[in-house]
Order: sequence, then structure tokens, then C-alpha cells
Amino acid sequence: RKEVEQDPGPFNVPEGATVAFNCTYSNSASQSFFWYRQDCRKEPKLLMSVYSSGNEDGRFTAQLNRASQYISLLIRDSKLSDSATYLCVVNYEGYQKVTFGTGTKLQVIP
Amino acid sequence: DTEVTQTPKHLVMGMTNKKSLKCEQHMGHRAMYWYKQKAKKPPELMFVYSYEKLSINESVPSRFSPECPNSSLLNLHLHALQPEDSALYLCASSPSGTSGSYNEQFFGPGTRLTVL
Repeated sequence: RKEVEQDPGPFNVPEGATVAFNCTYSNSASQSFFWYRQDCRKEPKLLMSVYSSGNEDGRFTAQLNRASQYISLLIRDSKLSDSATYLCVVNYEGYQKVTFGTGTKLQVIP
Repeated sequence: DTEVTQTPKHLVMGMTNKKSLKCEQHMGHRAMYWYKQKAKKPPELMFVYSYEKLSINESVPSRFSPECPNSSLLNLHLHALQPEDSALYLCASSPSGTSGSYNEQFFGPGTRLTVL
């Protein structure tokens, strides 16, 4: 089993739709969690950190479920510019050891 | 300044060449990272420097040699690489290498390396 797993997609959704991604992690000692987005041939960019209480940033909502060892990302009112690969990231061992999930590709269609 | 810069953007080298990749940040971050990313795959962690000391080496072959001359700079020295080492090499930095903080990483644009 991979340490951090995501559904690779692609998720093809129409503009304005709501889409959700999940990410599961195997190491219960994992400490901190993030969502990044990566556009084709570009570097990953931090989208949001994921806190235990859940957090929201505009159209984006992140949730953490430690008991079931997964994090989720909800995107409301999808825009064409949301098309990208979404990577979840899990940190442990003193916040230095970083593992990326396999990534989920999102394509928002006009 | 919230930017991580990397040079060069592109690099083509032969298997007998020696080259270096450079990374710089001026955010006062104390942890810096090297990643390797192949097409359609997530970034793979190679090295972590924390407070200018190598803290993690993910069993990377010795033909890759990292160096951290100061808290703002990170180099990756390349020697006798193989064609399968062709990839995007990403540098990142984060505020702290210690626990107790939410250690978001910020990435540079990467160096696209081709080994002939």
C-alpha cells in the first residue's frame, strides 16, 4: 500500500459544479497535511493547509479525518482556471519528511 | 519576497559532465529541500537541509551531491548522471525544520534536466 494515495482521475466536471477529492494516508504518526495544485510543467503551489478543525478559503474547503486517516478537498463553483493536478501532502518525523500523494487531475469543462 | 528562484531553467548534459543546480530564497526559511519529479508522477523527496545541516537523505545515489553554503542558498552538484536521471528538479523552502509549526513548503520553478 502506498503511503499517500489519491484517485488519479481525471475528474471532468462542468463549470459551476462542485467536486471533491479524497486522499488517504497510511502512517498514523502523520503530523501535518496540505493541498497543493500543480499546473502542467509548473511547480506545485500551496493551495491550503489542512487543520484538524477543517478550514475554508473562498470556494475551497479542506477536512481532516484522523480516525479514518484521510483528508479531503471540496471545490465549489468550479472555474476553468481550477483545471490542474491536485496533490495532497503529508508531513511527519518532525515535519521534515514529506510525502506527496499521487495526484488527482481535474479538468473543468466549459 | 516570497519567491524561491532556481537556475538554470533548463540543462542538457552528457553522462561525463559535471554541473550544478542552484536554488535561492530570501524568506528567512530555515529548511530547504530538493525533489525530483518525473512526468505524470508526484515529486519525490531527495534531500532536506535544516539549519544548514543535511537532515534527510532519501537514499539518493552519490552522483547527486547537495550543498548548503548558507541559509539562503542550496546547490545540487551533478556528476556522471544517467539518462534515467532526466527529470524536473524542484527546490523548496519552509519556515522551520522543527516540530511544533505547520511547515508549509514553497517551491521554485524547477530545473528541467536532460541527460544524454
